[in-house]
Amino acid sequence: EVQLLESGGGLVQPGGSLRLSCAASGFTFSTYAMSWVRQAPGKGLEWVSVISGGGSTIYYADSVKGRFTISRDNSKSTLDLQMNSLRAEDTAVYYCAKLQGPYKQAWHFEYWGQGTLVTVSS
Amino acid sequence: QSVLTQPPSASGTPGQRVTISCSGSSSNIGSNTVNWYRQLPGTAPKLLIYTNSQRPSGVPDRFSGSKSGTSASLAISGLQSEDEADYYCGAWDDSLNAWVFGGGTKLTVL
Repeated sequence: EVQLLESGGGLVQPGGSLRLSCAASGFTFSTYAMSWVRQAPGKGLEWVSVISGGGSTIYYADSVKGRFTISRDNSKSTLDLQMNSLRAEDTAVYYCAKLQGPYKQAWHFEYWGQGTLVTVSS
Repeated sequence: QSVLTQPPSASGTPGQRVTISCSGSSSNIGSNTVNWYRQLPGTAPKLLIYTNSQRPSGVPDRFSGSKSGTSASLAISGLQSEDEADYYCGAWDDSLNAWVFGGGTKLTVL
């Protein structure tokens, strides 16, 4: 059974930093691209970042480019998101998601974690 | 504003068939596959339809997806009260080099 368990959320001041982690199990982690998707309170889904199975290919949403860094440790089956220079608009539930599909344009978010809440406020 | 456009709400009575539309452009729906996600209140999203019309195992055949040109649709037949949820469409956008979602449609079963 695929399980994705996020951690690391919390309250942080504007301009601060936070590191999210996602512990994966139930599948061969290194084989699959992984992604972060966020959802602001009462709002829709917003894709944040993706990393390929080997870690060589990374994409970011424009809204987080230069501030967030996605990484993975295939030996530990963990996915991380380092978030710097946080802003109030980064307040959201952050979901870790496993991707599936034959190529990037056909990938879909097959499994989602339960999410971790990040609140950016003074 | 979301890149993909969905109606903010939809409704139907038990047993009815409802459809939810998702409109995009040539750089996303027009050239890539569309996926649909369902989010029950207070829970994480769940994959409902992938590659335009495929259902993951465990998703009943009451749910179906289709795509034509730069638009896609999700149809739910035999509407049930437990179908009350938010529904999101999503696709890769070649111009943005990013995944894009619709703003979500809140389905109410009357």
